[in-house]
Amino acid sequence: AQSVTQLGSHVSVSEGALVLLRCNYSSSVPPYLFWYVQYPNQGLQLLLKYTSAATLVKGINGFEAEFKKSETSFHLTKPSAHMSDAAEYFCAVTLNTDKLIFGTGTRLQVFP
Amino acid sequence: NAGVTQTPKFQVLKTGQSMTLQCAQDMNHEYMSWYRQDPGMGLRLIHYSVGAGITDQGEVPNGYNVSRSTTEDFPLRLLSAAPSQTSVYFCAAGLGNEQFFGPGTRLTVL
Repeated sequence: AQSVTQLGSHVSVSEGALVLLRCNYSSSVPPYLFWYVQYPNQGLQLLLKYTSAATLVKGINGFEAEFKKSETSFHLTKPSAHMSDAAEYFCAVTLNTDKLIFGTGTRLQVFP
Repeated sequence: NAGVTQTPKFQVLKTGQSMTLQCAQDMNHEYMSWYRQDPGMGLRLIHYSVGAGITDQGEVPNGYNVSRSTTEDFPLRLLSAAPSQTSVYFCAAGLGNEQFFGPGTRLTVL
């Protein structure tokens, strides 16, 4: 069965600093991987998704993630954090014919 | 095109009360699902449906019932609410790499 692990339930960065949110997956076959963002008191918004095309995936709001099969990772990055990036971020995995399995989430704080 | 809609947005229940959380989609997806979100636990699948008339249990189905009489609607029923069901509930339509979420229902059980 597939699963995802998000390392770090809380990440704090200064405005303008690099954002790195970690996600490792476990899957017996090549998976589809996603990052979702949830702003306070809102639903989930898809940031980006990996569906076996390019390994470097660009998403909305300047975020990107790189699929690394050798490391079973799909870390989310942004070169320069903005105050508006403060939110909770969820990594998720599916085999496309199956349901989404979510990680436990990482709350990103951005300090001025 | 409203996507996935959920009602109500907020609800407070007393222990033992029943209620139905509504979910509707206008994207004609066969697959629909219900998740609950709790702090530090991410989203956990409660029930899902692969089409009208077909439902199945997810990871945390106890205390919840679902039915799927139409493609558009997938209500979630709490027959006897418990404080452990205090959570934020999300409905989703679609499957795999095409899954769309509703805005959520915040439920408090006292």
